Amino acid sequence: NAGVTQTPKFQVLKTGQSMTLQCAQDMNHEYMSWYRQDPGMGLRLIHYSVGAGITDQGEVPNGYNVSRSTTEDFPLRLLSAAPSQTSVYFCASTRTGGSGTQYFGPGTRLTVL
Amino acid sequence: AQSVTQLDSQVPVFEEAPVELRCNYSSSVSVYLFWYVQYPNQGLQLLLKYLSGSTLVESINGFEAEFNKSQTSFHLRKPSVHISDTAEYFCAVSDRRNGNQFYFGTGTSLTVIP
Repeated sequence: NAGVTQTPKFQVLKTGQSMTLQCAQDMNHEYMSWYRQDPGMGLRLIHYSVGAGITDQGEVPNGYNVSRSTTEDFPLRLLSAAPSQTSVYFCASTRTGGSGTQYFGPGTRLTVL
Repeated sequence: AQSVTQLDSQVPVFEEAPVELRCNYSSSVSVYLFWYVQYPNQGLQLLLKYLSGSTLVESINGFEAEFNKSQTSFHLRKPSVHISDTAEYFCAVSDRRNGNQFYFGTGTSLTVIP
């Protein structure tokens, strides 16, 4: 199993550009999440999904969209990038929700100029 | 919403010395508790977790954590650290009643000094 994969690993955007961060898992997990990691702030939840077709907002959802058309994929879209979205983004999946072990991808380091 | 406090942002410790990384959470409702470790330029990996039962939980590499409900704490300890334990450690919590969201602390950077 590849586990949780994320692409790209690095990305530089200009303010106002849009892009999609890809996340895929091959463990048949129902629960998937997107986090951003910023220095001194730990991980903050952006959006999450409890199954195909079901998504919900986390702590910091503004400026991001998600969709979950399949169990395997959970892309994160930046609609109009801003410098405040410069961060490291992690995707995670878990089989059993709140009691489950989260499996994290390797992360995407995004810089917005 | 839950909040998780990790009281120490950086902890330097000499090799083979004991270490304790502190974690407190905000709510007195029933929770699941986790410690994750992040090595440089990698994603997070589960170190250990408390779901129910014995309040003392252990990892395979010698770490342990004790759930203290009255103090709403879940401190991580290791009696003798190794160079390879140098990493960032995150405490996390999820609510048993609404377990779809995990809340992370700000992390503690553990540096083991030779």
